[in-house]
Amino acid sequence: EPEVTQTPSHQVTQMGQEVILRCVPISNHLYFYWYRQILGQKVEFLVSFYNNEISEKSEIFDDQFSVERPDGSNFTLKIRSTKLEDSAMYFCASGNSYGYTFGSGTRLTVV
Amino acid sequence: AQTVTQSQPEMSVQEAETVTLSCTYDTSENNYYLFWYKQPPSRQMILVIRQEAYKQQNATENRFSVNFQKAAKSFSLKISDSQLGDTAMYFCAFTPNYGGSQGNLIFGKGTKLSVKP
Repeated sequence: EPEVTQTPSHQVTQMGQEVILRCVPISNHLYFYWYRQILGQKVEFLVSFYNNEISEKSEIFDDQFSVERPDGSNFTLKIRSTKLEDSAMYFCASGNSYGYTFGSGTRLTVV
Repeated sequence: AQTVTQSQPEMSVQEAETVTLSCTYDTSENNYYLFWYKQPPSRQMILVIRQEAYKQQNATENRFSVNFQKAAKSFSLKISDSQLGDTAMYFCAFTPNYGGSQGNLIFGKGTKLSVKP
């Protein structure tokens, strides 16, 4: 069964550093998403991406965040100047007309 | 605003018994999709079941079934013959259907289910 692959599975970074979280969506999916889950809290939508551009973003997705699809297969989330409160699980998902498939997540720890 | 509410933060059930998890949602949309996702301790998000709002028939996937009440905006998940591997967080989620394009998922806060031997 096709999978969404996320790397790394766990990243520890110093406050103020930039991180790039990577995702390889399912190849024939057209919609791509990033979600965030702070420990013990609900899953929150960050951004959706369709046709090589952002289609929707939440209030959380401010200038600190950016997304790219640099090579037609990878889908990245960049967090500039990380803050302690950015520590969370970050999930990539891709979707088609049936539904959404999530990756296993990247656990980001900002210290 | 579209919201999803799961009123049971935690539930437990004996192995082999049946349990029902509740979910209500609020939307002014007529076309939408509803989902239940399972999140085991590994924290991966696994799709359990999906329901299209225009379908009156309740979705079923093996031991998992839903009771979809569109007028009441209710979407409960029933797990039959509970197994130890069903222990997980369960999230109810909603997305509107904008004429075929796919919106983002709106999640409830989750219900932590423990299956006891």
